[in-house]
Order: sequence, then C-alpha cells, then structure tokens
Amino acid sequence: GAGVSQSPSNKVTEKGKDVELRCDPISGHTALYWYRQSLGQGLEFLIYFQGNSAPDKSGLPSDRFSAERTGGSVSTLTIQRTQQEDSAVYLCASRNLIADNSYNEQFFGPGTRLTVL
Amino acid sequence: AQSVTQLDSHVSVSEGTPVLLRCNYSSSYSPSLFWYVQHPNKGLQLLLKYTSAATLVKGINGFEAEFKKSETSFHLTKPSAHMSDAAEYFCVVSGIGTYKYIFGTGTRLKVLA
Repeated sequence: GAGVSQSPSNKVTEKGKDVELRCDPISGHTALYWYRQSLGQGLEFLIYFQGNSAPDKSGLPSDRFSAERTGGSVSTLTIQRTQQEDSAVYLCASRNLIADNSYNEQFFGPGTRLTVL
Repeated sequence: AQSVTQLDSHVSVSEGTPVLLRCNYSSSYSPSLFWYVQHPNKGLQLLLKYTSAATLVKGINGFEAEFKKSETSFHLTKPSAHMSDAAEYFCVVSGIGTYKYIFGTGTRLKVLA
C-alpha cells in the first residue's frame, strides 16, 4: 500500500514569508507526528496528533509554528514569517495504535526540505 | 523519563568487515527500541525493533541488535559491511505508557572500498 507522502519535497522561500507543508499519512493510521531535522542533527519532535484528542504541541519552537489535522487524516504544518533558522528538513510520521499502545513503529515520509533565504 | 545515547557520531569500516553501532538507553517504562536508517535525502526506514519477544532481534539487510537490560544497551551489528550500508543510523526508544519516541543524535556510517 501507499506509504506516508509529503509535499512539496523542496521549498525555497524568502525570509518573512509563510509556508505550508503537507503530510498524507498511511490510511488508517490514527497517530501522526511532525519532526524537524536540522543539518547534522537528530530529530526534534514538533507536534503529535492522535485521533480526535487535543494535539501535543509541546515541541513547537515558537508561536510562528502551527499545525492542524483535518478529518483525522491529512496534516498541514504552517510556519509564519519564516526565519533563516527555520531552514531544515521537516519529517512527518504516522503509526497505527494497537490495543496495548506499544511496540509499533512509526512510518516516515520522505520529508520536505525547507530553505529560507 | 527516557533518553538514548549513540556513542559514536561517525563510524568508518572497510567493505566486508563487521559493523558495530552503539546505543545506550534509559527508560522508566518497559522500553521498545528501534533502529532506523536514513540514506542521503531520504526518509527514515525501520531496520529492526525490540518488542520484548526476543532479546536478539534480526532486521533487514543482515542487521541485528541485541537487547541487554543489564547494560541498558541495544547495539546494532552486521557481520559484513556493504557499500550500500553507508548512511545515517538512529537509535530510538519508546515504550508502554508513552507515545513519544526519543531519537539519538545519529551515527554516520562510512564504508570504505
């Protein structure tokens, strides 16, 4: 079946502009994550969605960052008034929650490489 | 609380020689542990996962890892490196009672011809 998809694959923008990044999770996966990967760094957690529950936004670095998930499927990460330090690869992952809520892995999309000039 | 430490940021091996990528974890929960691989400009792909069924876990592409509770380790090994193994490897900890996945900082594996 189809994996996690993200669009665009690359985005170049000017400082101060807003950008939207999209993630299509695997069908039926109720949990969705956004991460940021800066050059040479590990993955930084940004936000977590699970079904209709309130999202965990604790990883969002500033109020310029927001995300939503419509209909429990597609998610959009929005960065307003982009800054050069926002340049990174933004990765989306989804997973299927099983009964004991454990041991199941995340499936990652290919990422969106954001460059802020 | 959970944490994971990848002890080497870079590892170089010759093609055909063994690979060892080291990972130590800390977890308040019964841990689940994963190794992911990321090739250049690609997303992360699962290599293997520990789910308490067996301490020695076999994954794809000839990789395996052994869960050692007494040492809080989950090192990744492969008997014979291939050029295509050159990539970044991430050790990840999660577990029962949490939806968070904690990523190590990664180990970049270089395979020399």
